[in-house]
Amino acid sequence: AQSVTQPDIHITVSEGASLELRCNYSYGATPYLFWYVQSPGQGLQLLLKYFSGDTLVQGIKGFEAEFKRSQSSFNLRKPSVHWSDAAEYFCAVGDQAGTALIFGKGTTLSVSS
Amino acid sequence: KAGVTQTPRYLIKTRGQQVTLSCSPISGHRSVSWYQQTPGQGLQFLFEYFSETQRNKGNFPGRFSGRQFSNSRSEMNVSTLELGDSALYLCASSLVWTSGNTDTQYFGPGTRLTVL
Repeated sequence: AQSVTQPDIHITVSEGASLELRCNYSYGATPYLFWYVQSPGQGLQLLLKYFSGDTLVQGIKGFEAEFKRSQSSFNLRKPSVHWSDAAEYFCAVGDQAGTALIFGKGTTLSVSS
Repeated sequence: KAGVTQTPRYLIKTRGQQVTLSCSPISGHRSVSWYQQTPGQGLQFLFEYFSETQRNKGNFPGRFSGRQFSNSRSEMNVSTLELGDSALYLCASSLVWTSGNTDTQYFGPGTRLTVL
């Protein structure tokens, strides 16, 4: 079955420290992979996406993610976290038709000073 | 360019009533998808519309329905509301390529539905 797993429900990181959020997927076709961020009471904002090509993709707000096909992973990273990065992060997978995204359960990021 | 807009932002209904939510996509986007977000089930796909036709449907009961108009705006309707329908309903729009495949989905702010 197609699925996305985000193993960490909640992560706390000190401001200025590096961040890595994990995402593993199970998908039969060539996956299109996404990271979205959601602030409380808001919709989802696209951080970055991977369709093909370079497996290291750059996104907005200084985020990057690396696609590793052998590990079925698409982990999100940021070298230095800011307090404004506190939010919920969702990994999602879709297909070439792209019509139905499958989301992970999300990881809540807290940033401590 | 304006983003995806959803109206209303908040709704309170009672069990048994019906509700209609509206979504206006980004200009030029012809595909509209709907998702339900709850604390227990997370984000789940409801359905997707393109060219006024439902192309894909998630695993939800028939009480959940939708439609799309010729200007790509979309509505979703939930009839005979249940307490469990309380959720954030998100709409997303995307470009559609000539192949029929869609590009990245961009989400609106959502409609928060509370069923009492």
